[in-house]
Amino acid sequence: DTGVSQDPRHKITKRGQNVTFRCDPISEHNRLYWYRQTLGQGPEFLTYFQNEAQLEKSRLLSDRFSAERPKGSFSTLEIQRTEQGDSAMYLCASSLESVRLGGYTFGSGTRLTVV
Amino acid sequence: AQKITQTQPGMFVQEKEAVTLDCTYDTSDQSYGLFWYKQPSSGEMIFLIYQGSYDEQNATEGRYSLNFQKARKSANLVISASQLGDSAMYFCAMRVSYGNNRLAFGKGNQVVVIP
Repeated sequence: DTGVSQDPRHKITKRGQNVTFRCDPISEHNRLYWYRQTLGQGPEFLTYFQNEAQLEKSRLLSDRFSAERPKGSFSTLEIQRTEQGDSAMYLCASSLESVRLGGYTFGSGTRLTVV
Repeated sequence: AQKITQTQPGMFVQEKEAVTLDCTYDTSDQSYGLFWYKQPSSGEMIFLIYQGSYDEQNATEGRYSLNFQKARKSANLVISASQLGDSAMYFCAMRVSYGNNRLAFGKGNQVVVIP
C-alpha cells in the first residue's frame, strides 16, 4: 500500500460540466475525509466517511456536491454544474478511527480548474 | 468552533539557519491535538509533528520541534538547520478529540530557503 491515491491529478472543465474525482485511501483506514483548498488558503473540511457512512458534511458542500464511499473502500466526489468558484485543489485524507499522532495520510490532491 | 491563525508573511531563510513559524489557536475544548504539515509545490500534505494538549513535553521530530505554550495558545514550529528542500508552505492545524476528528487549518506560512 503506497498511501492515499487521488485521480485525476489535474482536471480542466468548462463551466456547467460535471466532474468526478476519485480517492483510494490506505486500505486499513476506515475514515476518509475530503478537503478543499483554494489559492492562498489552508484546506477546508468538506465531508467525512466512517466506512461507507457519510457522517458529516460541511456547509461548504452545496447541493451540487455529492460524495460516496461504496463498500467503505474508495470514495468519489462529484461536482455538478461546475462554477468558476469551484476551482480549487481537492484533497483526500484517510485515517484509522482512533487517530493518534500524525495518523492522517493525505493524497496529492486533484487540482480543478473551471474555465 | 476552532480557529487557527498564521499571520507571518512569506519568509526567506538562509540555508543551515533555523526558522520559527508562528501559530496561535483558539478553542474552548480541553482535549485537542495540534499538527504541522508541509505542502511543497507538488501539493501533497506531509505530516511533520504533533502535540497533544495534555503532553507535558514539547514535541520533537528530527529537525522539527514544536514550542507549545498552552496558556498563550500558541504552537510555533521550529525548523533547525534549514535545507533547500524545506522550501514549501507550512500549515498549522488543530483537531478536537471527539467527533469526527477533522482538522481545522490555518492559512499557512510560505518559507523559501536560499543557499
